[in-house]
Amino acid sequence: QSALTQPPSASGSPGQSVTISCTGTSSDVGAYNYVSWYQQHPGKAPKLMIYEVNRRPSGVPDHFSGSKSGNTASLTVSGLQAEDEADYYCSSYAGSNNYVFGTGTRVTVL
Amino acid sequence: QVQLQESGPGLVKPSETLSLTCTVSDRSISGYYWSWIRQPPGKGLEWIGYIYSSGSTNYKPSLKSRLTISIDTSKNQFSLKLSSVTAADTAVYYCARFYWSGYGDYWGQGVLVTVSS
Repeated sequence: QSALTQPPSASGSPGQSVTISCTGTSSDVGAYNYVSWYQQHPGKAPKLMIYEVNRRPSGVPDHFSGSKSGNTASLTVSGLQAEDEADYYCSSYAGSNNYVFGTGTRVTVL
Repeated sequence: QVQLQESGPGLVKPSETLSLTCTVSDRSISGYYWSWIRQPPGKGLEWIGYIYSSGSTNYKPSLKSRLTISIDTSKNQFSLKLSSVTAADTAVYYCARFYWSGYGDYWGQGVLVTVSS
């Protein structure tokens, strides 16, 4: 049960878009539409941003969106804002009632 | 708005048992997967395990031999016990309300547990 692979960092200027990838295997990301994304600011608890690949919880801005193709899921932040600077983690159901998180990506707003 | 609050010792000696409790504000503890997740300092998130409101559990395979998660629905609490701890178990421990498909919509603020003599 290895962690899902994310790029360590991503960046963009205010108003630009940034896309974070989350690569797993045919046993987790590729097998189920149960990918979620979390935002974590320093010293804070993770906050759910996307669940079941592309669903947004109530209150999450619509400039966050999710998608999946094969064994790779993606989170796109459109129209970057200063407050979007944070760490982002993906997570996936991995079968047999187990779950796995990604390695995390630090998003910097330039 | 559901609130979760972790409580327990912030320092545990090597080889001893780490014990944490999560108190849930919402009386509807039924129907959810009450989970523990940890994050070593400066590192990523790690799913540890969950307990369903009925009492059934599932643990991360690599921790299964040392881990026990229990629930007390009368107190709206669930607990974690991790035995034979080492420095590698030093982390911020979060409790959270999860759905079966693996997403957590409410999280506690987290508690740092340091394993050190």
